[in-house]
Amino acid sequence: DGGITQSPKYLFRKEGQNVTLSCEQNLNHDAMYWYRQDPGQGLRLIYYSQIVNDFQKGDIAEGYSVSREKKESFPLTVTSAQKNPTAFYLCASSIDLSPDTQYFGPGTRLTVL
Amino acid sequence: AQSVTQPDIHITVSEGASLELRCNYSYGATPYLFWYVQSPGQGLQLLLKYFSGDTLVQGIKGFEAEFKRSQSSFNLRKPSVHWSDAAEYFCAVGGSGTYKYIFGTGTRLKVLA
Repeated sequence: DGGITQSPKYLFRKEGQNVTLSCEQNLNHDAMYWYRQDPGQGLRLIYYSQIVNDFQKGDIAEGYSVSREKKESFPLTVTSAQKNPTAFYLCASSIDLSPDTQYFGPGTRLTVL
Repeated sequence: AQSVTQPDIHITVSEGASLELRCNYSYGATPYLFWYVQSPGQGLQLLLKYFSGDTLVQGIKGFEAEFKRSQSSFNLRKPSVHWSDAAEYFCAVGGSGTYKYIFGTGTRLKVLA
């Protein structure tokens, strides 16, 4: 079955450490996205990518970095520069960079200790 | 400014009762509208979407939504709620020529047995 996988489901990090969240899709989608979700807030866009080797900052990119070396993969690194990284992180993909349907992964909950 | 408002943070209904979740948007172009559902600790699942055409849209799990341009609304309805519908519901808007969704802050639905 096609879909989006995110790993790990839960992640704990000490302050000052970088950590990388995995996102893989086998939907053959060109566009991929990373969102951050905090309680009582909607989803906020961190980064997005339209094609391999190209990505753009979203609304809250500070303290995060991404890469897009393969069409299927769009990992997100939460760096030590991110001041409040504890959150639920969602990866999504769509056929292309358009308002068409975005499909979401199951999410990774990151907790900074 | 572009925005999505879900005025109800929490809604409680009895099983078998009807449901309406409100969504109002502010968007400068022709809106593409979406409703997603999220179970605790999970990703988002698309319930339905509106791009054009018939303003009453049918979705999965017995949900429907009506686009009312004059009221800038896209309310979600279900005639008879099941206990399994307890979840958080997000309204989102996008537009032609843009990849970006704007999400509401969500409405958490509780269903009483």
